[in-house]
Amino acid sequence: QLQLQESGPGPVKPSETLSLTCNVSGGSISSSNYYWGWIRQPPGKGLEWIGTIYYSGSTYYNPSLKSRVTISVDTSKNQFSLKLSSVTAADTAVYYCARHDSVRGATPGAFDIWGQGTMVTVSS
Amino acid sequence: DIQMTQSPSTLSASVGDRVTITCRASQSISSWLAWYQQKPGKAPKLLIYKASSLESGVPSRFSGSGSGAEFTLTISSLQPDDFATYYCQQYNSWPLTFGGGTKVEIK
Repeated sequence: QLQLQESGPGPVKPSETLSLTCNVSGGSISSSNYYWGWIRQPPGKGLEWIGTIYYSGSTYYNPSLKSRVTISVDTSKNQFSLKLSSVTAADTAVYYCARHDSVRGATPGAFDIWGQGTMVTVSS
Repeated sequence: DIQMTQSPSTLSASVGDRVTITCRASQSISSWLAWYQQKPGKAPKLLIYKASSLESGVPSRFSGSGSGAEFTLTISSLQPDDFATYYCQQYNSWPLTFGGGTKVEIK
């Protein structure tokens, strides 16, 4: 079945750019039925949607992060990526990638499959 | 942005109890609401989509109801595996937003 796996370089220093990749296995990222999103969760806090991409490259961002976020897709590698620039300690969080299922209703749909998450710490 | 407000933020209950969690949207979202369960150190798991549709594989003791701006998640008979944090999320419009979460604790 479809699986998502986040990967990234580990700790990030303040003012640098956080980069993560979500590898999709067991299915195609190019399906017209799905969108692909990033969500984060600071330690001990709730969930925050970061942004979403469609395989065609259309993107949707959280306005609170829009000036710093870029999400891209590489259909040849069946993966999508997140870049968050000018990070601060407030960006320390577990970052999840997830699939939206738009088949069962409104676009983009609920998040029906999630990656396990990767902890990113911003520290000097 | 549509604000999602969950209540209560914490709930203490016993095995076998009927549990209800409420989620209110700051404006109508039709039925485009999802409920997730999250356990410590794990990714959220989809329980309910489109306000009342049960995700495949989710026990039938979970149910969702509501439309417009007020929604509920009900666990008919709380089981030991159900002690977790629950989140609602609207997908009616961008930006997507989550409720603050409801932690269900053992009484």
